[in-house]
Amino acid sequence: KAGVTQTPRYLIKTRGQQVTLSCSPISGHRSVSWYQQTPGQGLQFLFEYFSETQRNKGNFPGRFSGRQFSNSRSEMNVSTLELGDSALYLCASSPRRTGGGTEAFFGQGTRLTVV
Amino acid sequence: EDQVTQSPEALRLQEGESSSLNCSYTVSGLRGLFWYRQDPGKGPEFLFTLYSAGEEKEKERLKATLTKKESFLHITAPKPEDSATYLCAVHDYYGGSQGNLIFGKGTKLSVKP
Repeated sequence: KAGVTQTPRYLIKTRGQQVTLSCSPISGHRSVSWYQQTPGQGLQFLFEYFSETQRNKGNFPGRFSGRQFSNSRSEMNVSTLELGDSALYLCASSPRRTGGGTEAFFGQGTRLTVV
Repeated sequence: EDQVTQSPEALRLQEGESSSLNCSYTVSGLRGLFWYRQDPGKGPEFLFTLYSAGEEKEKERLKATLTKKESFLHITAPKPEDSATYLCAVHDYYGGSQGNLIFGKGTKLSVKP
């Protein structure tokens, strides 16, 4: 069974640009969550999508947005990039909505560097 | 506020030297405690889920246990390939997090041959 696939694996962007990251969940999984990982803050929750609807959102500015398609694939967008947005962005898929003790399975992440 | 604290931050062991990692949590209503392993530059790999105090789960050299306020990840006779960062996360049913995973900062384990 294929795991969670994130593309691209690495990105270098300039301040002020925008970026779109993609995530394909495990087949049959309907929940996709996004996390930001930095050395100082660790893993922080961005948002969760389930059945094409955002169900939950973390404490990040509106520059961070996402969406989910009918095939459960998800994209995350960051506009007006700042240096502090440099991080490993992780996508996690679950068969059901998170919050009910359901395991989440992570992809390899996208390493975003903002210069 | 929900909080997950892992200790120690870093742990160096000799091959074969058993030890334990700690994860303490303060949440309103625990719906699950999760252990993950993360290698450098990679995404977290799921290890265990624990749901209630007294529960234990094992996988090879790893054993996870849960009490009402903390979880332990016991590593028996570790090998160099066990070197990684171990992350603990919780689901809080009642808290303001609305059910997303709340992660600790992790314990970086190094096992020397």
